[in-house]
Amino acid sequence: NAGVTQTPKFQVLKTGQSMTLQCAQDMNHNSMYWYRQDPGMGLRLIYYSASEGTTDKGEVPNGYNVSRLNKREFSLRLESAAPSQTSVYFCASSSRGGFSYNEQFFGPGTRLTVL
Amino acid sequence: QQQVKQSPQSLIVQKGGISIINCAYENTAFDYFPWYQQFPGKGPALLIAIRPDVSEKKEGRFTISFNKSAKQFSLHIMDSQPGDSATYFCAARSGGYQKVTFGIGTKLQVIP
Repeated sequence: NAGVTQTPKFQVLKTGQSMTLQCAQDMNHNSMYWYRQDPGMGLRLIYYSASEGTTDKGEVPNGYNVSRLNKREFSLRLESAAPSQTSVYFCASSSRGGFSYNEQFFGPGTRLTVL
Repeated sequence: QQQVKQSPQSLIVQKGGISIINCAYENTAFDYFPWYQQFPGKGPALLIAIRPDVSEKKEGRFTISFNKSAKQFSLHIMDSQPGDSATYFCAARSGGYQKVTFGIGTKLQVIP
């Protein structure tokens, strides 16, 4: 049981290049999330997917696109990378719905540098 | 606009001391308040969570205190240990699809 896995772990891009960050979970969770973490800004939600087939914008969606490929996989794409997108990116997943709080399980992160 | 305000951004505590991290919110639609702990190079992990109809929740050395009227909540770490050195995030959920809003984080260092 690997939990949430992310690839790659590190990436360096030049301004204008594109790339896709991959995320997969093996916990049969319905909901998946993409966050970015920046010093002094905390964790900010980029996009989330409440269930397979649906995606919604979070707090900072500009410059990103997502695909919920199936229940397990949720990818984040940067079409034309900018230095402002230099950050650590985390994918997370949780079960959906219910009154109680459903813990979000985070992956190990992808450290992206855009030159 | 920061929906969950967290302070301080950094904290140094002596071993055995009490670490206190404070958070405040405005949105009364928030219905659950989790805290996450993050070690360097790792993703955050859930530490403890509380509902707004409970004033305090304790798990081991970690306690959340919640003041609904003041819209404030705090994390207390009793008998702080060097192994507690990490970044702590408070968060708030507004129901629905388990989406949460995080505070900016507090970097805690516990010195021997």
